Order: sequence, then C-alpha cells, then structure tokens
Amino acid sequence: QVQLQESGPGLVKPSETLSLTCTVSGGSVYDGSYYWSWIRQSPEKGLEYIGYVYYSGSTRYSPSLKSRVTISIDTSKNQFSLKLSSVTAADTAVYYCARVPGVDILNFGMDVWGQGTTVIVSS
Amino acid sequence: DVVMTQSPLSLPVTLGQPASISCRSSQSLVFSDGNTYLSWFQQRPGQSPRRLIYKVSNRDSGVPDRFSGSGSGTDFTLKISRVEAEDVGVYYCMQGTHWPSSFGGGTKVEVK
Repeated sequence: QVQLQESGPGLVKPSETLSLTCTVSGGSVYDGSYYWSWIRQSPEKGLEYIGYVYYSGSTRYSPSLKSRVTISIDTSKNQFSLKLSSVTAADTAVYYCARVPGVDILNFGMDVWGQGTTVIVSS
Repeated sequence: DVVMTQSPLSLPVTLGQPASISCRSSQSLVFSDGNTYLSWFQQRPGQSPRRLIYKVSNRDSGVPDRFSGSGSGTDFTLKISRVEAEDVGVYYCMQGTHWPSSFGGGTKVEVK
C-alpha cells in the first residue's frame, strides 16, 4: 500500500523560503501513471492546489503561486519536494502531498494523501 | 479559475436518514474526451481528505455503496443513502478538468 509522508520545518519566518519533502513508500515516484502533487488547506482559502511534478521532472503550477513555487522530484530517494519563496502569513496552512492519477492538465482526483504538516509563517 | 460552489454549508442529519450535497461549477466540466473529471472527498475530523468518488459516479475501492455520485455539465450531487456515525466530517467536490484543479468550500455533515 502506497503511503506518503511530509516532512519539514513547522515554522518559517516571513520573506523566507518554505521547504517540504514528501517521502513515498510502498510504491515508486517513477510510476508514469501518476503525478505527485502538493495541496494546502487553510481556514481562509480552504483546499488549494499548488501544483505537481511528473516522474520525468516536468512540472505544472497553479497560476496564483507560480512565481514563488518550485516542485522537484528525486527518483533515487523516492521523494518529491516543495519550495515556496517569499512567504507571508497568508501561506500559513496545512500542507499535504498527494498522488494524483492524471494526464497533463487532467486530474482524476488525489487517491493517496499524506497526513499533512502544519506550517506557520511568523517571526 | 473554475469556481466550485457547494451547498449547504452545514448538513445536520439524523442517523439512518439520507443526505444530499450539491456542487456546482462555474464552467462545464466535460472534457474534449467526453469524460467529466469531478471527484468527491471526505475529510473526517483530524484526518486528511480521502477520495470517495471519481469521474462523477465511480466509487473508490472500500467506499460503502451508500455513497453515490451523479450529475453532469455543471451540476453534481453526492448522496448518502443512510447516514452512519462514521460519515461525520466535511465533504468536498473537486474539478480536475480545467487547470488548476479547484475544490468546493466544503459541506459539514453532522449528526442532529
């Protein structure tokens, strides 16, 4: 059974870069049937899709975050990562990594989710 | 972005009674391949979301058959035929046809 686990700092200072890693177990990020995504959830914005990375390294980002987001993949470690730069209090949220069956822009629905990690942006 | 609007916001239900959640999209969710990429998720208190339904009406493995999805175009519905205590939580619809994918605001199902 595929499992995903997020890791990274729970507190980030304003203007700095948020960095999270998702470790995949029980499956491989090299599986071309899926892409590997980040989603965040806050009381203010609800569930918000950040973007995804494919096993090949190709990426697609939400336009609202595109200028600040980088998602990358490390197939040797079976991990993928999120970097969000120039964070503000508005980036405080629970961040989830998830596996998504899909093709190009099509999203068939995240079928495996990590447990989520809370990130607070504060000085 | 495609806006997903759910109603009601809160749904108090008596155990054993049916429940229905509506989801409307600001654009048609039919893709050029003829499929409609609308999913439903359940988020129990303190847990991550869990996919229940994909492509409007396909139930995920392990999802009780009391859950069903229907709809087309811009109007979709999730029905629970007989609510059980374990169904308490927040339900979200999500469209995956247009980029970026977008979620509804959620419907909280609670026991009366």
